[in-house]
Amino acid sequence: DTGVSQNPRHKITKRGQNVTFRCDPISEHNRLYWYRQTLGQGPEFLTYFQNEAQLEKSRLLSDRFSAERPKGSFSTLEIQRTEQGDSAMYLCASTLNNEQFFGPGTRLTVL
Amino acid sequence: GENVEQHPSTLSVQEGDSAVIKCTYSDSASNYFPWYKQELGKRPQLIIDIRSNVGEKKDQRIAVTLNKTAKHFSLHITETQPEDSAVYFCAASIGSTLGRLYFGRGTQLTVWP
Repeated sequence: DTGVSQNPRHKITKRGQNVTFRCDPISEHNRLYWYRQTLGQGPEFLTYFQNEAQLEKSRLLSDRFSAERPKGSFSTLEIQRTEQGDSAMYLCASTLNNEQFFGPGTRLTVL
Repeated sequence: GENVEQHPSTLSVQEGDSAVIKCTYSDSASNYFPWYKQELGKRPQLIIDIRSNVGEKKDQRIAVTLNKTAKHFSLHITETQPEDSAVYFCAASIGSTLGRLYFGRGTQLTVWP
């Protein structure tokens, strides 16, 4: 499969726990984005990498959120001390120019 | 930042009819406008896009029009089929913000056989 992949696909956690998601972009894509999508809404931008550099972060990304792309390939998104309001679908997308290809997402449920 | 409004939120059509979804944007610097289709439980998939130097683009039964002056763009689906049923999202991107997409809230399209 040469598309964008994300793991895990589903994550259920208790409030206060930490979670980490992984995104593997299309191999030649140098730009990688994280979005969050809640029910009935369009995806909302969280953060963006060009190669290993994190170039922009949304105000939605509180101090509890951190993202990395250490070697310019896969990326991780960590949420510390999860809250019920963090429950959402977390989508990753990658691109070489403008066209963004999305992964299947990680659905997070915080109990 | 950019604000994208999308209408209608739901749209029901009979198979074979046309469907039109409209979006407006606020930032005149936006220069790239993709449309995504998202089926239940699946990833958003790009179905068509248009850049600001073009007024219209067509791909088989799908077309997109862009009016830069009025800051609105529309998706047109002709000869609709039940498999067109999904949520459709419009989005806009400003070149200076490195390609991040600003999405509308989506339109649930239902095509009745």
